[in-house]
Amino acid sequence: GNSVTQMEGPVTLSEEAFLTINCTYTATGYPSLFWYVQYPGEGLQLLLKATKADDKGSNKGFEATYRKETTSFHLEKGSVQVSDSAVYFCALTTGGGADGLTFGKGTHLIIQP
Amino acid sequence: GAVVSQHPSWVICKSGTSVKIECRSLDFQATTMFWYRQFPKQSLMLMATSNEGSKATYEQGVEKDKFLINHASLTLSTLTVTSAHPEDSSFYICSATPPRTGNSPLHFGNGTRLTVT
Repeated sequence: GNSVTQMEGPVTLSEEAFLTINCTYTATGYPSLFWYVQYPGEGLQLLLKATKADDKGSNKGFEATYRKETTSFHLEKGSVQVSDSAVYFCALTTGGGADGLTFGKGTHLIIQP
Repeated sequence: GAVVSQHPSWVICKSGTSVKIECRSLDFQATTMFWYRQFPKQSLMLMATSNEGSKATYEQGVEKDKFLINHASLTLSTLTVTSAHPEDSSFYICSATPPRTGNSPLHFGNGTRLTVT
């Protein structure tokens, strides 16, 4: 089956620090990979995605590269802001839009001023 | 852009009662919608796939008689938690994908927080 493993939180950083949230996966078939963000009291919002090996997804200063050889999709940002404080979920699907997503457990990110 | 609306955003009910949660795609038709459940500080777990005009597909371990899903139109799926118990208290989130978008991301509702007393 499919599974997603991401680093446990909470992760606490100072403003302008460099961020890495690790994500690795196992999948039957060729997955598409996603990062979602959940702000307090809200639903999930797509942050970025990658659909094939070596693709780099990027949005709002966040980046993640689809690494098939290491089955990883680590999330990075060069300089975090307080407004980036949220829970980040790594996810995959192997069925395109026809199947649901398999999520990691989420990483709570706290950015301190 | 595509929007998925979920209602209510929160609900408190007594043990033994039933609660209905609605999920609507506002500007696209969705033949398939998904229902997830999120426990506190846990990941989202796929409960079932809701298919317009046919029966829902439930994930292993999810009781179909307890979590009734109806996808009567291309823009609406409902999840009814029947005879709710305190252990059903959770955050329920639906999602949908516009048709013919291949691997485009699923769009999520803002979730419904259910508290059973």
